[in-house]
Amino acid sequence: KAGVTQTPRYLIKTRGQQVTLSCSPISGHRSVSWYQQTPGQGLQFLFEYFSETQRNKGNFPGRFSGRQFSNSRSEMNVSTLELGDSALYLCASGRTGRNTEAFFGQGTRLTVV
Amino acid sequence: DQQVKQNSPSLSVQEGRISILNCDYTNSMFDYFLWYKKYPAEGPTFLISISSIKDKNEDGRFTVFLNKSAKHLSLHIVPSQPGDSAVYFCAASANNDMRFGAGTRLTVKP
Repeated sequence: KAGVTQTPRYLIKTRGQQVTLSCSPISGHRSVSWYQQTPGQGLQFLFEYFSETQRNKGNFPGRFSGRQFSNSRSEMNVSTLELGDSALYLCASGRTGRNTEAFFGQGTRLTVV
Repeated sequence: DQQVKQNSPSLSVQEGRISILNCDYTNSMFDYFLWYKKYPAEGPTFLISISSIKDKNEDGRFTVFLNKSAKHLSLHIVPSQPGDSAVYFCAASANNDMRFGAGTRLTVKP
């Protein structure tokens, strides 16, 4: 069974640009969550999708958005990139999201210059 | 708002001894708690979990303790092994919303 796949693995963007990250969950998983990991801040919750609907959202500005497709694949978009957006972005999938463990991808390392 | 806190950024223990990692949370709605382990360049991997109706869950060398009144949980690893060296994240979940702590870097010395 394939794991959670995130693409691309590494990305370098310039301030002001926008970026789209992709996540393919484990087959059969309908919940996809996104997290930002920065040194000292741990995993900061961005949002969670289930069956194409955003169920939960963390405390991030509107520049961060996402969506989920009918095949459960999810994309995350960050517009007007800032230097502080440089981080590891992790996607996690789960069967239902509630009281089940999440399975993480390897992440996308975004560097904003 | 940091609803899940791991106040120790790092912990160093000797091989064979016990490792105790701590986690505090503020949201009383959390009803499911998990520990994840993360190696460099990899995503976190699930280690062990506990429901709020229990106060202890054991899996081999790993035991998680939950103290609901104190809003505190801990992960015990005994005996600790060098391969346990990693960053450990505590997570708490309520209504499909899972929040993580900042992580504790555990180093187990041979």
